[in-house]
Amino acid sequence: DAGITQSPRHKVTETGTPVTLRCHQTENHRYMYWYRQDPGHGLRLIHYSYGVKDTDKGEVSDGYSVSRSKTEDFLLTLESATSSQTSVYFCAISESAGSSYNSPLHFGNGTRLTVT
Amino acid sequence: AQSVAQPEDQVNVAEGNPLTVKCTYSVSGNPYLFWYVQYPNRGLQFLLKYITGDNLVKGSYGFEAEFNKSQTSFHLKKPSALVSDSALYFCAVSPNTGFQKLVFGTGTRLLVSP
Repeated sequence: DAGITQSPRHKVTETGTPVTLRCHQTENHRYMYWYRQDPGHGLRLIHYSYGVKDTDKGEVSDGYSVSRSKTEDFLLTLESATSSQTSVYFCAISESAGSSYNSPLHFGNGTRLTVT
Repeated sequence: AQSVAQPEDQVNVAEGNPLTVKCTYSVSGNPYLFWYVQYPNRGLQFLLKYITGDNLVKGSYGFEAEFNKSQTSFHLKKPSALVSDSALYFCAVSPNTGFQKLVFGTGTRLLVSP
């Protein structure tokens, strides 16, 4: 398995509180991604990063922010959690992202977040 | 915009029988196609990909997939199913502009009975 660690693995929080999820990689890959997985929707991209301090929005970015101050760490923050953000969150990494596609996405084991 | 359809929520097959998990896609230009598998409480694992070349792609654990451009399909197949193949399978498609445009299907649960 690719060296990807997500923390925490489970979290329960209350509506309106801030939450930060962490993704740590040991592969030195340039690209990192945050997805959420919901029944009936598959996986949807929240934000991604193409280098230190370089990030961009994905398909479902509203209510989320990210930061990447080091190659190995990619943080996802819910500024004020809502019940609609209850989901399983996955971090993924890839060595390349362009037309070569020599390195597919590798996923962490996920964080299950419940917002009450 | 690209999209993926996995028409079956669940596929049931007996161990030893061949299995097929269906996927159709829509994308502008040439597609990059992927299959991933997810076991309980784990992240997705890469199975195989089609970028260009032979329409039949072989991947991990004995799986293969056939790219059919005219039918815009990329069905996942295995000649002889194992109970351990039981899992959630995702098809994904992207144009050649990068993973930020990668779109996943809703997943198909494969249940292989002994």
